[in-house]
Amino acid sequence: QLQLQESGPGLVKPSDNLSLTCTVSGDSISSGSFYWDWIRQPPGKGLEWIGNIHYSGSTTYNPSLRSRVTMSVDASKNQFSLRLSSVTAADTSIYYCARHMGNRNWFDPWGQGILVTVSS
Amino acid sequence: DIQMTQSPSSLSASVGDRVTITCRASQSISTSLSWYQQRPGKAPRLLIYAASSLQSGVPSRFSGSGSGTDFTLTISGLQPEDFAAYSCQQTYGTPYTFGQGTKLEIK
Repeated sequence: QLQLQESGPGLVKPSDNLSLTCTVSGDSISSGSFYWDWIRQPPGKGLEWIGNIHYSGSTTYNPSLRSRVTMSVDASKNQFSLRLSSVTAADTSIYYCARHMGNRNWFDPWGQGILVTVSS
Repeated sequence: DIQMTQSPSSLSASVGDRVTITCRASQSISTSLSWYQQRPGKAPRLLIYAASSLQSGVPSRFSGSGSGTDFTLTISGLQPEDFAAYSCQQTYGTPYTFGQGTKLEIK
């Protein structure tokens, strides 16, 4: 059974970079048909899609965050990562990783999520 | 971006009730819509994809309908574990966008 687990610091200072990793278990991240996504949810607000990466390294980012987002994949560790630069309090959110199949743009499964707070 | 408007934002109901949540897209998205359930501290769960297809393992009391711009999620015969938050998502194209969510509470 495929499982995803987010990890990283729960507290980041304003203007710093936020870095999170999603560890995939139960299947290979190199399965060709799948894309690996990051989604976030600010407290009390709706979900926001951040972007995704294919194991080949191809990425698609939300234009609203594109200038600050970098995603990468480490197939040897079965992990993919998110880096969000120059964070502000508005980036405080629960961050989720998830998977979707190339031509089926729904997310399944998801990780449990990690709360990242931006505060000095 | 395609805007997704979900209503109501919150809903109170009792065990055994039938409830309906609606989601409206700012442009036609055919049947490119999915629904998710969120419980506190748990991974979001895919319930419905392609507007009306039930994800494997999801109880049949959940159903989805709609096409174009208007969609509904119906839960028939609410169970205690169904009191959670529900969100719609358009799968039509990037950037993928979600509704603001509906919190289903016990009356």
